[in-house]
Amino acid sequence: DARVTQTPRHKVTEMGQEVTMRCQPILGHNTVFWYRQTMMQGLELLAYFRNRAPLDDSGMPKDRFSAEMPDATLATLKIQPSEPRDSAVYFCASAYDRGRSNQPQHFGDGTRLSIL
Amino acid sequence: RKEVEQDPGPFNVPEGATVAFNCTYSNSASQSFFWYRQDCRKEPKLLMSVYSSGNEDGRFTAQLNRASQYISLLIRDSKLSDSATYLCVPRENNDMRFGAGTRLTVKP
Repeated sequence: DARVTQTPRHKVTEMGQEVTMRCQPILGHNTVFWYRQTMMQGLELLAYFRNRAPLDDSGMPKDRFSAEMPDATLATLKIQPSEPRDSAVYFCASAYDRGRSNQPQHFGDGTRLSIL
Repeated sequence: RKEVEQDPGPFNVPEGATVAFNCTYSNSASQSFFWYRQDCRKEPKLLMSVYSSGNEDGRFTAQLNRASQYISLLIRDSKLSDSATYLCVPRENNDMRFGAGTRLTVKP
């Protein structure tokens, strides 16, 4: 089965450090999503791209977070500088979407981020 | 009011039991609907889509009531492996709103 691949699986770092998370969507999928999950907030949509163009990043703190898709096989989510409240599991998901399609999203294993 | 509200659970049921989860959503523009399951420390995985006429997939039955903005999931003959958190997900275009989930534990 094709899968969304995320790296790293785990990341522990000190506050103030830059964190970069990577995602390889399923080949052929044109839409990529970044989510954050915490016990308190559940799953929150941070940003998503269609055909590599950012469509919505309203869920993302703009001052420290940035999301990009350098090419169709790679999406990145960067936090600089990181803070302890950023500790969470970050999921990437991808889907093939033709606009009003109801195709479901497929999730990667997630990156477990701990900021000390 | 939350956009997606689910039974908080946890539901603790014996093997073989039938269990039902409910979900209400506030966005009347939602076009498609899904149930995902999430195991502890794992990613959400699609369980099933929910169609307007209701649909069944083996032991799982999903129902949708657009007028009431209500979705349900019924699990029959529950198995130990059904233990997970079940997430209700209405979707408008690419905007998927995940419920907080309902925790199910199936016991021997």
